[in-house]
Formats: sequence, structure tokens, C-alpha cells
Amino acid sequence: ETGVTQSPTHLIKTRGQQVTLRCSSQSGHNTVSWYQQALGQGPQFIFQYYREEENGRGNFPPRFSGLQFPNYSSELNVNALELDDSALYLCAGGTAEKLFFGSGTQLSVL
Amino acid sequence: DAKTTQPTSMDCAEGRAANLPCNHSTISGNEYVYWYRQIHSQGPQYIIHGLKNNETNEMASLIITEDRKSSTLILPHATLRDTAVYYCIGLRNYGGSQGNLIFGKGTKLSVKP
Repeated sequence: ETGVTQSPTHLIKTRGQQVTLRCSSQSGHNTVSWYQQALGQGPQFIFQYYREEENGRGNFPPRFSGLQFPNYSSELNVNALELDDSALYLCAGGTAEKLFFGSGTQLSVL
Repeated sequence: DAKTTQPTSMDCAEGRAANLPCNHSTISGNEYVYWYRQIHSQGPQYIIHGLKNNETNEMASLIITEDRKSSTLILPHATLRDTAVYYCIGLRNYGGSQGNLIFGKGTKLSVKP
């Protein structure tokens, strides 16, 4: 049990649509990070939030955006979905020493 | 952060020790070696990390060479549930910077009966 839950577990969208993925972390996780994992690849860092502000970003375009809320929940928003956005999206709550990952949201873009 | 190199896959017999190697020859003095694993259909799970000294916890042991250019993760008594992809990651451990882990392709460990 990692203390990180994600919803929904699976989602199907159409190219061009927008999607919001949600994550709930627990007290003590002072950062939240989001990762994208394509089939057969390792997770790729999207961005990290600390005290409700983005403080690190990977090689992802601005149509990937996020929010972190005071209650340890967060959102990942993706606009103008593309077929290549189909992937497992992972959220992780962080302490100073380690990350705790949720089980992810599997997004399929048709 | 340091680039790491791991074998693509390994097999291990159930009940035997699994030794997973990792090369990180470009690691800098302030970078830790982290290990995570990912069991099928789950998010990655933290295993262990270390800087210079060998480390042990309830899951595994981490042996780091004296020159810090390589390390070995040891699962002392592998079970079928240890079948997973194991990732070795070099990371500077500043508070709040834990989020940007750089995952490679890892080692696919198959534990066989």
C-alpha cells in the first residue's frame, strides 16, 4: 500500500479531446510527480509539483499541464489529445528520500 | 544525473539469490544509486538506495563498489512474486528533487519455479 490512488483506472478518448486524470496522495508526501509510460518502455518524467507550484518539467509540450491542491490531491490535464498520448500515466507522492507510485491510469486515444 | 546500464533480462530459480548488476561509471560524488522495481500492471516500487556504503533493508541488499562505478542489487531468496522489471537510477538526493527520476529500460527478472 503506497498511499497513492489514481482515478480512473482506464479511460478511452478521441483524438483532439481533452482529459483530466486525478491522483490522491497522503500527508507527508511533500511533492507530487507525474510520469508517462508507453508500452515496453520505462516511465518518462512529465513534471513535479511542490507546494502547489511546478518545480521541474521533462520534455513534454505545454498541452500537458497540472495542478496540486492543499489536500495532497493533484490533476494532470492533457489538451488536444494525440494518438501517441496513449500510455499508462503514473502519479507519485514523494518524500525527501523516495517516491510512492499509484497504479496508474491507462489512457487510450482513438 | 548519471547514465546507468543494466542487462536486458535475467532468470533466477525460486529460493536462490538474485543478483542484479548495474553500471554507472559516470556517477558523480553526490549522486545516490536508487533501485525501483515494477511488477506487471503496477506502479514502480521503491526498493533501496545508497551512496557509498553497502545497504540492507527488509527487501534487499545493495552492494556498491569502492570506486562507485557499479553496484549489485541482491534479493537473498527470490520468490515468484519478485518477477518484475528492476530499474537502477542515479540521482542527486536534494530534498524535493525526488520527482524527476530518469528510468531506463531496466532488467526484466524472471523467477522460475
